[in-house]
Amino acid sequence: AQSVAQPEDQVNVAEGNPLTVKCTYSVSGNPYLFWYVQYPNRGLQFLLKYITGDNLVKGSYGFEAEFNKSQTSFHLKKPSALVSDSALYFCAVRPDNYGQNFVFGPGTRLSVLP
Amino acid sequence: SAVISQKPSRDICQRGTSLTIQCQVDSQVTMMFWYRQQPGQSLTLIATANQGSEATYESGFVIDKFPISRPNLTFSTLTVSNMSPEDSSIYLCSVAFTGQGKETQYFGPGTRLLVL
Repeated sequence: AQSVAQPEDQVNVAEGNPLTVKCTYSVSGNPYLFWYVQYPNRGLQFLLKYITGDNLVKGSYGFEAEFNKSQTSFHLKKPSALVSDSALYFCAVRPDNYGQNFVFGPGTRLSVLP
Repeated sequence: SAVISQKPSRDICQRGTSLTIQCQVDSQVTMMFWYRQQPGQSLTLIATANQGSEATYESGFVIDKFPISRPNLTFSTLTVSNMSPEDSSIYLCSVAFTGQGKETQYFGPGTRLLVL
């Protein structure tokens, strides 16, 4: 069965500092990996995805994520955090050979402090 | 990508009543999904709704409680029937396109439901 772990419920970082939001996964087959962001009272917005190819993928708003197959991780990163990045971040996975069923992680709340 | 709207955006309902949530997409999509996000929780898939076939429900969700319609390629409804306070959640619709390079799901803004 597929599963996604986000080991940190909350991440606090000062504005201007680099940020990392962690994600590890378990999936049969090759994984498709995604990051979404949810701002208060809003739906989920797609940030980036890894399907195949280069392990470092770049997405919206300056975010990037690195796929590490040996560690089964897909951590989200940004070199310099903004206060406006404060939101709830979800990692999601689906295997490449199983329809479109996504499994979401529990979410990590990011707070960027001015 | 797709522009997705949901109605209502929020509602407060009484126990025992039913609410139908609408999801409208600005382009034709084969696959539509309904998720539930309980307070402080992650997303849980309720069902997959493909046009021209019966909705497929995930474990723990049944058609009598969450009937779904998918009359065409741009619209779907989810009904939350005989509501109880435990049904208080955000309900999100999402869509996906098929084909290589189209693996992403796109989400609507959600319907925030409070059951008293």
